[in-house]
Amino acid sequence: EAGVAQSPRYKIIEKRQSVAFWCNPISGHATLYWYQQILGQGPKLLIQFQNNGVVDDSQLPKDRFSAERLKGVDSTLKIQPAKLEDSAVYLCASSLDRQGNNEKLFFGSGTQLSVL
Amino acid sequence: GNSVTQMEGPVTLSEEAFLTINCTYTATGYPSLFWYVQYPGEGLQLLLKATKADDKGSNKGFEATYRKETTSFHLEKGSVQVSDSAVYFCALSDNQGGKLIFGQGTELSVKP
Repeated sequence: EAGVAQSPRYKIIEKRQSVAFWCNPISGHATLYWYQQILGQGPKLLIQFQNNGVVDDSQLPKDRFSAERLKGVDSTLKIQPAKLEDSAVYLCASSLDRQGNNEKLFFGSGTQLSVL
Repeated sequence: GNSVTQMEGPVTLSEEAFLTINCTYTATGYPSLFWYVQYPGEGLQLLLKATKADDKGSNKGFEATYRKETTSFHLEKGSVQVSDSAVYFCALSDNQGGKLIFGQGTELSVKP
């Protein structure tokens, strides 16, 4: 089966510019997650979708970050304007279980963002 | 709040050595516990999990036992291989919505 697809693989921008990341989860997976992984740290949840509704966005910096999941399939994460501290790998994950409990998460390879 | 603490890396071992990577957690209630692995250039993938106290998760020769009394979930393998070189992440789920809280990761390097 196809895995979680993310693009682009790498992105380099200057601070105050905007950037967008795209994620296509595994077909049929109801739950989609965006994680931020700063170098040397574990992934931190930014936002969780159940179908096209937001379940948890408590750690999303909403003044600059936004995310959407139109039609409950693909998702886009945007940063505008970017700051130096946003340099990280942005991971998308999906899971089948509609309740999102104890289900195996499948991760994409991530988008590595460098903000100069 | 819920959190996970792992032993710091990098951990460097010779092939066939015994591996232990320590993981302790802080959580309210009864979380599920996981080990994820990230091989070079690849995405995170689930290695094993345990959903209740005294459960043992196992996969590919790796094992971890959910110890509620010590709030630990240490990862072990009796004989590591070069192909086990990766970053290992301990994580917990609070069973409310499915989100994972990760430790900082432990890099393992196995030399021939």
